[in-house]
Amino acid sequence: GNSVTQMEGPVTLSEEAFLTINCTYTATGYPSLFWYVQYPGEGLQLLLKATKADDKGSNKGFEATYRKETTSFHLEKGSVQVSDSAVYFCALSDAAGGFKTIFGAGTRLFVKA
Amino acid sequence: EAGVVQSPRYKIIEKKQPVAFWCNPISGHNTLYWYRQNLGQGPELLIRYENEEAVDDSQLPKDRFSAERLKGVDSTLKIQPAELGDSAVYLCASSLRQGPYEQYFGPGTRLTVT
Repeated sequence: GNSVTQMEGPVTLSEEAFLTINCTYTATGYPSLFWYVQYPGEGLQLLLKATKADDKGSNKGFEATYRKETTSFHLEKGSVQVSDSAVYFCALSDAAGGFKTIFGAGTRLFVKA
Repeated sequence: EAGVVQSPRYKIIEKKQPVAFWCNPISGHNTLYWYRQNLGQGPELLIRYENEEAVDDSQLPKDRFSAERLKGVDSTLKIQPAELGDSAVYLCASSLRQGPYEQYFGPGTRLTVT
C-alpha cells in the first residue's frame, strides 16, 4: 500500500538557517505530493503541492521538487524565520489508492531567534 | 470566506460514555473527511463523504463509531461507547471534490477519555 516516511523531529534551527525536511514515499500509482503545515493551535493548511515528476512546488519561500527516481519530495527553505516554527506533514494522494490521502508522521520545527 | 468549523474544541469524558463531534465544511465543498490524529502522528482517515454518500469508511471502527452527513453539508461523528484508546484529536476537512485537491482543515476536537 501507499506510505510516506519523513524525518523525525524535532528540528531546531537558528533564524536565517537553511532548512531541509526529508520525505520519501511508496505508491502503486502516480501520486500527487503535498506538504501541509500546522501552526500551534491551528488546523493543517496546504503549504505546496506537485502533481507530476520534476514539478517544483513553492510557497512562502519553501520549495519541494517531485523526484520520481528517488521517490522523494524534500522540503527546503533557504532562510527560516521564527514564524516558521510549526509541524510539517508530507502527504500523497493517487487514483490507484482511491485518492485517499496518506500523511507522514510530521516533523516539528523550532526556530530560535 | 469562513473556514471549516468544528465543535467542541475540547472534550473530556469517562470511558464508556458517548461523545459527538460536529463539523461544518466550507460552503460549496462536496467532499468531507474525518481524520483521527494520535499524538506525534499524522492524520489517519476515518471516513470520506462525497455529498451525503460515504465513499470510503474502511478505517472507521463500525462497532463503536458512526457518522452522518445529512443533506450533504454538516457532518457529525459519534463514538459510543468511548474507550481509553480513543483519546486523540479528531479533524474534519473539506475539499471541492474528491481527488488530489487541497483539503481545508478545521482546528480539530481534542478528545480525552479518562
